[in-house]
Amino acid sequence: NAGVTQTPKFQVLKTGQSMTLQCAQDMNHNSMYWYRQDPGMGLRLIYYSASEGTTDKGEVPNGYNVSRLNKREFSLRLESAAPSQTSVYFCASSETRGFSPLHFGNGTRLTVT
Amino acid sequence: AQKITQTQPGMFVQEKEAVTLDCTYDTSDQSYGLFWYKQPSSGEMIFLIYQGSYDEQNATEGRYSLNFQKARKSANLVISASQLGDSAMYFCAMRERRDDKIIFGKGTRLHILP
Repeated sequence: NAGVTQTPKFQVLKTGQSMTLQCAQDMNHNSMYWYRQDPGMGLRLIYYSASEGTTDKGEVPNGYNVSRLNKREFSLRLESAAPSQTSVYFCASSETRGFSPLHFGNGTRLTVT
Repeated sequence: AQKITQTQPGMFVQEKEAVTLDCTYDTSDQSYGLFWYKQPSSGEMIFLIYQGSYDEQNATEGRYSLNFQKARKSANLVISASQLGDSAMYFCAMRERRDDKIIFGKGTRLHILP
């Protein structure tokens, strides 16, 4: 089982460039999440989607957009990258019923110069 | 507002000793879940243990247990008989039932000394 797949694994952007981080899960989960991880800050929630067709802002949504393309896929877009968006990005998914744990992708290391 | 606080940025513990990692939380929801994750230096996130707000008994999973004190809003992770492989970052997280949002604390870096 692939679980949660994120692409790319590494990316370097120049300030002002745009890019989309892709995430797909094959566990038939309803809920999907995007986090960023920075040293000393833990994981901070950017956006999440509790079900297909819905998205909600998390703790740090500014500078990002998301699309829940279908039940499997949840993409994160940086329209105009800034150095402050240099981070490791994690996608995760979960069942909505009860309190199921998150299943994480392997992360994308993004550097904005 | 939903909030998770981990007050120990780093800890050093001798191998084979027990260790407690602190986590306090704040929520106005009556129904919520608390989770602990481990992140080794390789970077992947590993789920360790879960506690529901209505669970009367503390959760246990092998060497991991969760010391849940609801009135104090704390959910400390206890690792018994620590091993060198326990050296990692540990994150506490909370999920509220009402909106499905899951937030994390800033983490504790645990170092196990031989």
